Amino acid sequence: AQSVTQPDIHITVSEGASLELRCNYSYGATPYLFWYVQSPGQGLQLLLKYFSGDTLVQGIKGFEAEFKRSQSSFNLRKPSVHWSDAAEYFCAVKTSYDKVIFGPGTSLSVIP
Amino acid sequence: DVKVTQSSRYLVKRTGEKVFLECVQDMDHENMFWYRQDPGLGLRLIYFSYDVKMKEKGDIPEGYSVSREKKERFSLILESASTNQTSMYLCASSHGQKSSYEQYFGPGTRLTVT
Repeated sequence: AQSVTQPDIHITVSEGASLELRCNYSYGATPYLFWYVQSPGQGLQLLLKYFSGDTLVQGIKGFEAEFKRSQSSFNLRKPSVHWSDAAEYFCAVKTSYDKVIFGPGTSLSVIP
Repeated sequence: DVKVTQSSRYLVKRTGEKVFLECVQDMDHENMFWYRQDPGLGLRLIYFSYDVKMKEKGDIPEGYSVSREKKERFSLILESASTNQTSMYLCASSHGQKSSYEQYFGPGTRLTVT
């Protein structure tokens, strides 16, 4: 069955430090992958997506993600975290049935 | 600017009540979705719709129904609310024929059933 796992429920980083949020998916074909961010009290906003081509994709707010087929991973990175990045982050995969499966989310806290 | 709006941010209902959650999008999107969000479980798809008057069950449709009479509006109905339906409900929409790429989300409705 198709699934998305985010191994880290909660991560705390200091402002200015680098960030990597992990995402692993289970899907037979070439996946369409997404990262969304949810700020407190808000809906989800798309950060970036991967459909094909270059495995390193750039998104909004300085985020990037790398698709690694051999590891079934799509980790999200940012070189220098800002306090405003504190939010919940969701990895997602589009399935063959035209639905999107979301991971459980990783909550990010930023220490000033 | 794209917009998905939901009728209420917070809602408190009693067990057994019929509850309507409304969602409107102004982007002329074909696809619309209802999710519920619970801590540790991420988003789970309740129902979705590819077109007017069309609906399909998602992963957790039990206890819910939907209505899509107009392209821009997608309603989620709890026929008889129960306490285990206390949750955050998110509506989303996307372009495309039978495509759920890049979804645009509303701000959510936090429903409490007492």
